[in-house]
Amino acid sequence: QSVLTQPPSVSGAPGQRVTISCTGSSSNIGAGYDVHWYQQLPGTAPKLLIYGNSNRPSGVPDRFSGSKSGTSASLAITGLQAEDEADYYCQSYDSSLSGPWVFGGGTKLTVL
Amino acid sequence: EVQLVESGGGLVKPGGSLRLSCAASGFTFSSYSMNWVRQAPGKGLEWVSSISSSSSYIYYADSVKGRFTISRDNAKNSLYLQMNSLRAEDTAVYYCARVGSSSGYYGRYFDLWGRGTLVTVSS
Repeated sequence: QSVLTQPPSVSGAPGQRVTISCTGSSSNIGAGYDVHWYQQLPGTAPKLLIYGNSNRPSGVPDRFSGSKSGTSASLAITGLQAEDEADYYCQSYDSSLSGPWVFGGGTKLTVL
Repeated sequence: EVQLVESGGGLVKPGGSLRLSCAASGFTFSSYSMNWVRQAPGKGLEWVSSISSSSSYIYYADSVKGRFTISRDNAKNSLYLQMNSLRAEDTAVYYCARVGSSSGYYGRYFDLWGRGTLVTVSS
């Protein structure tokens, strides 16, 4: 059981907007710690997608955006494309025994 | 090219040992904290261990504490993970990951990943 909870799967048609949630608690997101997001394409290593809640590394399209509020964070993908089909993971710091750096369980995005 | 390349994975019996290596290139390795993150087959990501740029600060997940040892050799641009008393649940792809330069301790994120090396613990 992951400290950060993500939906196992989400789906959307090309061109649509999808969001992936990451729900934490008072020992991680709710305590104000930053949330980061990673994209893992099939058979490849994870890639940093969003850092510091809403910042995109160089080269990441602006179709990807992140936000945080309270004990949750969200990753939004607009203008969905076939190549966005991947697993997405959130990550943060946790001050409980689960930490210090924890990942969500991952969300499989399917482009219909 | 900026990259991380892991090696040393393989099949090992329960209770056995293995040493993973990660070769860094294309950046000033000695300036970055480094980590090991693993992913069991079909499962999510799990942070394993972290070492600061000068090896002054070392952290482990509870699941590996006392069994795994992280180290680095800045002269060789290399990161290591010595894994002892291996268990079936240690079976995973092990990734070497660099800490983002703008992240502090609490806001740590991983901005560069290797392709991983597979460790299989089975009799």
